[in-house]
Amino acid sequence: QVQLQESGPGLVKPSGTLSLTCVVSGDSISSSNWWSWVRQPPGKGLEWIGETYHTGSTNYNPSLKSRLIISVDKSKNQFSLELTSVTAADTAVYYCARARGAFHYYGMDVWGQGTTVTVSS
Amino acid sequence: EIVLTQSPGTLSLSPGERATLSCRASQSVSSSYLAWYQQKPGQAPRLLMYGASSRATGIPDRFSGSGSGTDFTLTISRLEPEDFAVYYCQQCGSSPRTFGQGTKVEIK
Repeated sequence: QVQLQESGPGLVKPSGTLSLTCVVSGDSISSSNWWSWVRQPPGKGLEWIGETYHTGSTNYNPSLKSRLIISVDKSKNQFSLELTSVTAADTAVYYCARARGAFHYYGMDVWGQGTTVTVSS
Repeated sequence: EIVLTQSPGTLSLSPGERATLSCRASQSVSSSYLAWYQQKPGQAPRLLMYGASSRATGIPDRFSGSGSGTDFTLTISRLEPEDFAVYYCQQCGSSPRTFGQGTKVEIK
C-alpha cells in the first residue's frame, strides 16, 4: 500500500530554515497526483501549506509563499519542504499527504504520520 | 481565498445518535470539490468523503455527505464509539486549498 514518511529536524532556531522530506513508497512521485504539506499548530486546526506535481509545478499558501519552497526529487521518489525565517508561530506537527488525481477532486487520501517541529532557541 | 466556516464548534451527542455537521464556504466551491476528514488525538487526518458526497475507500455507510455551492453537510447516521473525533472540511477546487476550523464530536 501507499505510505508516506516525513523526516527532518525536530528543533529549529528562530530565523533559521525548516527543512522536511517526505519519502513516498508504494506509488511513483511521477504519478498523476499532487504531493502536499499540511501543518497543525499545537491544539489548533489544519493549515494547508502547499503542493507540488512531478512536473515541478507548485501551489503555495499565500500567507507562507514568500518563505516557502516545495520541490520534488524524482530520483529518490520524495518531495521536500523548505520554510525560511521561522518563528515560534511555525511550531507545529507537519504532515505530508497525497492529493489523489491531477485535478484535486479526490481529496488527500494518504497521509504521513506527521513530524513535530519546534522553533526555539 | 475561500474561507470555510464549520458549525457547530462542538457537538455533544450519545452513541447511537445522529450527527449533522455543517461547512459553509465564503464563495462557491467549484464542482463540489469538497472533502471531509476525521482526526483523532495523536493521529493524522483520515479522508472520509470527497466530491462532497462520495465515500473514500473503507469508510462505512453511516457516513454521508451532501451539498453544493456554498453549503455542505456531513451526516453520521448512528454514532459509534470510534466516531468521536474532530472533523474538518476542505475545499480542493482552488488554491489555497483551505480547511475549515473543525467540529469536535464529543460524547455527551
